[in-house]
Amino acid sequence: EAQVTQNPRYLITVTGKKLTVTCSQNMNHEYMSWYRQDPGLGLRQIYYSMNVEVTDKGDVPEGYKVSRKEKRNFPLILESPSPNQTSLYFCASKVKRNTEAFFGQGTRLTVV
Amino acid sequence: AQSVTQPDIHITVSEGASLELRCNYSYGATPYLFWYVQSPGQGLQLLLKYFSGDTLVQGIKGFEAEFKRSQSSFNLRKPSVHWSDAAEYFCAVGAPNTGTASKLTFGTGTRLQVTL
Repeated sequence: EAQVTQNPRYLITVTGKKLTVTCSQNMNHEYMSWYRQDPGLGLRQIYYSMNVEVTDKGDVPEGYKVSRKEKRNFPLILESPSPNQTSLYFCASKVKRNTEAFFGQGTRLTVV
Repeated sequence: AQSVTQPDIHITVSEGASLELRCNYSYGATPYLFWYVQSPGQGLQLLLKYFSGDTLVQGIKGFEAEFKRSQSSFNLRKPSVHWSDAAEYFCAVGAPNTGTASKLTFGTGTRLQVTL
């Protein structure tokens, strides 16, 4: 089944403790993105990747890192999480530039 | 830069009634347009998309949307709502001519409640 898989689905952590949210897609898509969803703000793009080893900032990249060492994986790294990064995070992939995006199930992160 | 406005934060309709969710976009040319649905605890599922051609687009679950260039709108419609349609709906725009990534810009969402 074609899908985007995120792990974990739920995470509670403390301020400053490094964490990684994994994202994997099995559709051989070139483009992958991370979004965060906050009430009243919709989804905002954090980072995106156009292919292996090619990444760039989205609209809200501060406090986040990403890497794309393999085509299927696009982990989101929070080196020093803060409470304002408490949010619902979505990974998405698309086959090429101007096509629809496929989304993972989301990761609900709480930073205390 | 492109932007999307969904003016209705929350809509309540009765089961069996018709539905229209509004979406207005701002972009200098014809954008790519999408509607996604998010059920509680779930990811976003694509309902329909518009790239070019026929301005009335059919999607899954009986939904349709009409692109109106003169009004910069892409409203979502369904003739008869089912209780299972209760969810949050997001309109999104992709800008074909903005560099390599062509990111999606989302509206703030409309939460649909269906009463029995």
